[in-house]
Amino acid sequence: AQKVTQAQTEISVVEKEDVTLDCVYETRDTTYYLFWYKQPPSGELVFLIRRNSFDEQNEISGRYSWNFQKSTSSFNFTITASQVVDSAVYFCALSEESGGSYIPTFGRGTSLIVHP
Amino acid sequence: ETGVTQTPRHLVMGMTNKKSLKCEQHLGHNAMYWYKQSAKKPLELMFVYNFKEQTENNSVPSRFSPECPNSSHLFLHLHTLQPEDSALYLCASSSGGRRNTEAFFGQGTRLTVV
Repeated sequence: AQKVTQAQTEISVVEKEDVTLDCVYETRDTTYYLFWYKQPPSGELVFLIRRNSFDEQNEISGRYSWNFQKSTSSFNFTITASQVVDSAVYFCALSEESGGSYIPTFGRGTSLIVHP
Repeated sequence: ETGVTQTPRHLVMGMTNKKSLKCEQHLGHNAMYWYKQSAKKPLELMFVYNFKEQTENNSVPSRFSPECPNSSHLFLHLHTLQPEDSALYLCASSSGGRRNTEAFFGQGTRLTVV
């Protein structure tokens, strides 16, 4: 079973629309970490945010916001007023302890296409 | 610039060739990773090195051979690959140990096996 599920394979929006990328995770650990990464066409995964399991406070950074809800095991990512430069593949990841270290497991990614 | 550099960026090799991918980080991290990203598949963790010791090998075929001579450098030696090994190979690093931090990625090596 997938530990990180990103059910949306591809989302297409028009510039200035708001868009939410869903992420549902599965873990039995009480301490874990969640991440979002952006992968533009250049290929490099760019770190966006980290959340630990004890901090359910939502976060806003410019046009980006994240909604972490332990009750539903979700960590959703919203882009407000999307722009063409937001076009990329976005990955959600979960990090649990394994042999004394934390190794991220990634979802399949959501491809976001923002049309002008 | 994330501080993780991978070379080469693109590589085309025949099935009988031997080549190596290189990864270098200047972030002072102690953990380094190799991931494989194939089309329409999730990112697959291949190997993990923590303080130069291999701590994870996710059932990767022996035609892929990692090497970590120090905490700043990671190699992936390739030999007798198959066409299905064509993918984007991503290197990442993190601070390692028990304290979790985010992993920083290189731009990847786009490998094509012909």
